[in-house]
Amino acid sequence: EPEVTQTPSHQVTQMGQEVILRCVPISNHLYFYWYRQILGQKVEFLVSFYNNEISEKSEIFDDQFSVERPDGSNFTLKIRSTKLEDSAMYFCASKDRGTGANVLTFGAGSRLTVL
Amino acid sequence: ARAVTRSQPEMSVREAETVTLSCTYDTSESDYYLFWYKQPPSRQMILVIRQEAYKQQNATENRFSVNFQKAAKSFSLKISDSQLGDAAMYFCAYRSTYSGTYKYIFGTGTRLKVLA
Repeated sequence: EPEVTQTPSHQVTQMGQEVILRCVPISNHLYFYWYRQILGQKVEFLVSFYNNEISEKSEIFDDQFSVERPDGSNFTLKIRSTKLEDSAMYFCASKDRGTGANVLTFGAGSRLTVL
Repeated sequence: ARAVTRSQPEMSVREAETVTLSCTYDTSESDYYLFWYKQPPSRQMILVIRQEAYKQQNATENRFSVNFQKAAKSFSLKISDSQLGDAAMYFCAYRSTYSGTYKYIFGTGTRLKVLA
């Protein structure tokens, strides 16, 4: 069964460092998302991406965050200068265009620890 | 939707018994999608069941069914014949059907414990 893959599974970084989280969405999917989850609690929307541009973003997704799809397969989330409060699980998700589905398929997540 | 919420932070059920997890949401829209996702300890979220708001019939997937009360903006998940593997965090989620809105809004989860 097709799946969304994320790397790394866990990254530890120092405050102020740049971090790139990588995702390979399902190949025929067209919509891509990043969510984060702090301490296993609320799942928060960060950004959605469609047709090579950001389609929607939340208040959390400030200038420290950016996304890109550099090569047509990978979908990356960059945090420019990490803060302690960026420590969380980051989930990538993708969705196809099928009107009947509207189902998000999630990756296993990347745990980010900022020290 | 402005918010998706759950009623109970944690619930327990004995194996083979039935449990219902509650979810309410706040929206002024008439058409939308609702979902229940399961997040087992491995932490990857998996779709359990979905419901289109325009459908009056409640969705059912094997042991999982929903009670969708549109007027009350309530969307509960019933798990029948509970199994140990059902133990997980469960999240309900909302997605608008309006074009230009892409995000899925998740509520705070309910942790389900299944007792042998």
